[in-house]
Amino acid sequence: SQQGEEDPQALSIQEGENATMNCSYKTSINNLQWYRQNSGRGLVHLILIRSNEREKHSGRLRVTLDTSKKSSSLLITASRAADTASYFCATEEGAQKLVFGQGTRLTINP
Amino acid sequence: DVKVTQSSRYLVKRTGEKVFLECVQDMDHENMFWYRQDPGLGLRLIYFSYDVKMKEKGDIPEGYSVSREKKERFSLILESASTNQTSMYLCASSLFSVGGLFTDTQYFGPGTRLTVL
Repeated sequence: SQQGEEDPQALSIQEGENATMNCSYKTSINNLQWYRQNSGRGLVHLILIRSNEREKHSGRLRVTLDTSKKSSSLLITASRAADTASYFCATEEGAQKLVFGQGTRLTINP
Repeated sequence: DVKVTQSSRYLVKRTGEKVFLECVQDMDHENMFWYRQDPGLGLRLIYFSYDVKMKEKGDIPEGYSVSREKKERFSLILESASTNQTSMYLCASSLFSVGGLFTDTQYFGPGTRLTVL
């Protein structure tokens, strides 16, 4: 089962630019999470936004949630080479499980 | 910090072998998960467990089994490895969501890249 779908599948930008990734989902949610995965490694949790929140910040990360459109976006400002990774959104499936999208592969060019 | 460890980063096995992948977490989490990740297919849930000796099938359980004898340890077993089980295997853990109000953050191990020849 696939709930979240990220867009674009791949994104390549210059260091210092902002990167925006989008996630769309199908059913009602209590929260939506974003994760990062460096090449060949496990996923790392970045941020969780609840359904009653519209925007959340963490450092250079800004996440928005529009429950009416069933979509979320992740903005990384002032990108750095170390931000090169794949980014996944995850939504709930039942009370204990998450369903992950296929991810956006972000490349930051020096 | 939550730490989830997996027994091997890289593993090479032969077709037909029985393979054990071990996962240990140190934060007393009730939930543990096994995923496989393949290019173009994303993360797919194989099995999960929300308590000792409890297990539930995920989306792709065929060819796999699991064992949870202790709260901190969740093992994935490939009874007879096949080449189509070559993949990246990821273990994760999370707190149990009481009342099912929301699904908590999952903490991932570093992954095991399994190659079956």
